Amino acid sequence: DAKTTQPPSMDCAEGRAANLPCNHSTISGNEYVYWYRQIHSQGPQYIIHGLKNNETNEMASLIITEDRKSSTLILPHATLRDTAVYYCIVRVYRETSGSRLTFGEGTQLTVNP
Amino acid sequence: NAGVTQTPKFQVLKTGQSMTLQCAQDMNHNSMYWYRQDPGMGLRLIYYSASEGTTDKGEVPNGYNVSRLNKREFSLRLESAAPSQTSVYFCASSANRGRDLVQYFGAGTRLSVL
Repeated sequence: DAKTTQPPSMDCAEGRAANLPCNHSTISGNEYVYWYRQIHSQGPQYIIHGLKNNETNEMASLIITEDRKSSTLILPHATLRDTAVYYCIVRVYRETSGSRLTFGEGTQLTVNP
Repeated sequence: NAGVTQTPKFQVLKTGQSMTLQCAQDMNHNSMYWYRQDPGMGLRLIYYSASEGTTDKGEVPNGYNVSRLNKREFSLRLESAAPSQTSVYFCASSANRGRDLVQYFGAGTRLSVL
């Protein structure tokens, strides 16, 4: 699975968009990009995933560059409850190993009032 | 809608004691996982079960055993607890039907080994 690089921390003002970058320059054609977050002391929560097209759901948008070497998670109107560690994970599905995820250290997003 | 349920939520053990962490999911998922998270670090996979009747080692399996009791339940056993196993343990499950790889996590078990 491709390695990902994320900034260790970011700040965002409440009500503004939070744009969290992720670099995955060694990604291969069949690897998906997943985003999870972990609010302090809770279990990780799935946010969104994509292969090559941009994706949007009720929580966030995922923008993947055309060469797929990087992506950005966008929280359009950040709230204080969005303060969490955000993990970008690249994963290929293998029949014999299911969907094992490798968590890095993620980005600590702090939303300020 | 319970999702993934872990018990207990907290546990304190003495070195050498044994215990079993329980995990159950009610989403009819095929795959289940056990992770540990040490302070300030990301999650590391201990063991996983891709489907009922199968288990495989993850990144940090030493000192642990698992049992996939049935499709719903996946337990993690510490036979002889050590202080290095002080951590937060998370169980997760995923459907793994087609390309659906999303994992859903429980609330965690906080374990201290003295």
